[in-house]
Amino acid sequence: DTGVSQDPRHKITKRGQNVTFRCDPISEHNRLYWYRQTLGQGPEFLTYFQNEAQLEKSRLLSDRFSAERPKGSFSTLEIQRTEQGDSAMYLCASSRAGGERAYEQYFGPGTRLTVT
Amino acid sequence: SQQGEEDPQALSIQEGENATMNCSYKTSINNLQWYRQNSGRGLVHLILIRSNEREKHSGRLRVTLDTSKKSSSLLITASRAADTASYFCATDAGGYQKVTFGIGTKLQVIP
Repeated sequence: DTGVSQDPRHKITKRGQNVTFRCDPISEHNRLYWYRQTLGQGPEFLTYFQNEAQLEKSRLLSDRFSAERPKGSFSTLEIQRTEQGDSAMYLCASSRAGGERAYEQYFGPGTRLTVT
Repeated sequence: SQQGEEDPQALSIQEGENATMNCSYKTSINNLQWYRQNSGRGLVHLILIRSNEREKHSGRLRVTLDTSKKSSSLLITASRAADTASYFCATDAGGYQKVTFGIGTKLQVIP
């Protein structure tokens, strides 16, 4: 169990540019989640995958946001035409499909996005 | 939107003292979890309590849940400097396990 990894850890971009983040979950976890966290707030749910299927998407996720998990392993989160309000920490988490610990989510270190 | 609201928002105690944090939520839940976040280790799951449970223990942690009041408390006994972190409650309503976090309590343990 090597933990959830995210890349990059930091991203600075200019307003209007597109950015893409990657998340590699724990290998035996088939559920993957994306959250956004701003300073002084808790993580806010963005979207959730079970294997390659995107099962839920928050209303926070505007049309500029898209997430994929093409082979049910790693996931990408893309933000198009970034805005300053997109500046935040983007967190990825994964969990098992079932069993006693199915609700326990393991979080990655996050990608901190700064839009200038 | 944030489902849970932790209270207090900040807490400062001396090492060895107990720390109590409270969480209130708005809608019916299936499970309630507590997570810890510090700069060194990111978000870490601490404990989960199901809606049909009233109390749960794990090491120095004690969690209570009162579904009639829609509230939970987290007690950390014999606190250590390493417990300094932000603590979040997180709830889910079952189904696909979408988890909704509160705004957190920032705990400082002074050595």
